[in-house]
Amino acid sequence: QVKLVESGGGVVQPGRSLRLSCAASGFTVSSYSMHWVRQAPDKGLEWVAAISYDGRNKYYIDSVQGRFTVSRDNSKNTLYLQMNSLRAEDTALYYCAREYEEIDYWGQGTRVTVSS
Amino acid sequence: DIVMTQTPLSLSVTPGQPASISCKSSQSLLNSNGKTCLHWYLQKPGQSPQLLIFEVSNRFSGVPDRFSGSGSGTDFTLKISRVEAEDVGVYYCMQSIQLPPITFGQGTRLEIK
Repeated sequence: QVKLVESGGGVVQPGRSLRLSCAASGFTVSSYSMHWVRQAPDKGLEWVAAISYDGRNKYYIDSVQGRFTVSRDNSKNTLYLQMNSLRAEDTALYYCAREYEEIDYWGQGTRVTVSS
Repeated sequence: DIVMTQTPLSLSVTPGQPASISCKSSQSLLNSNGKTCLHWYLQKPGQSPQLLIFEVSNRFSGVPDRFSGSGSGTDFTLKISRVEAEDVGVYYCMQSIQLPPITFGQGTRLEIK
């Protein structure tokens, strides 16, 4: 049974950092491309970042390029999103998701609020 | 970036009646392998999105057969043959032919009359 559990969200001041984690079970993260997708309050879905199944390629939306870093720890079967220089517009519910040939499973999300 | 445009943005449907949502992309979603990278998701109230349809017309595991997808190139449609109360939520189309970025439609909110 595929399960994704995000953690690490919280309230943080602008300019500060957070690291989100996504613990996977029921499959091996090193065998799949993995994604982060966010949803601002009362807004739609926005793709944020992805890491290829082999870890060689990482992709980001322009607005987080240079500030966010996606990574994974295969030994812990966990995906991460390091978020630096946070801005108010990064406030959202952050989901991790697995890609088979399409994004097929999503976690329940972890909430990030950037506010002074 | 590929722009995904959904219509309508909201839908109110009587149970048992059909519903249809359109999704148009600014570029063709047909890839070099012959697959069309257009997928549909439903986000029920208070829940994370769930995959309904992948590659235009393939129902994901456990998705009822009242859901169907069609289309090609840049024009796509999600149809619900007979809406049920459990179908309420926001429906999103998503393209994955171009990365980065993957892009979503604005979402279509379905409510029950």
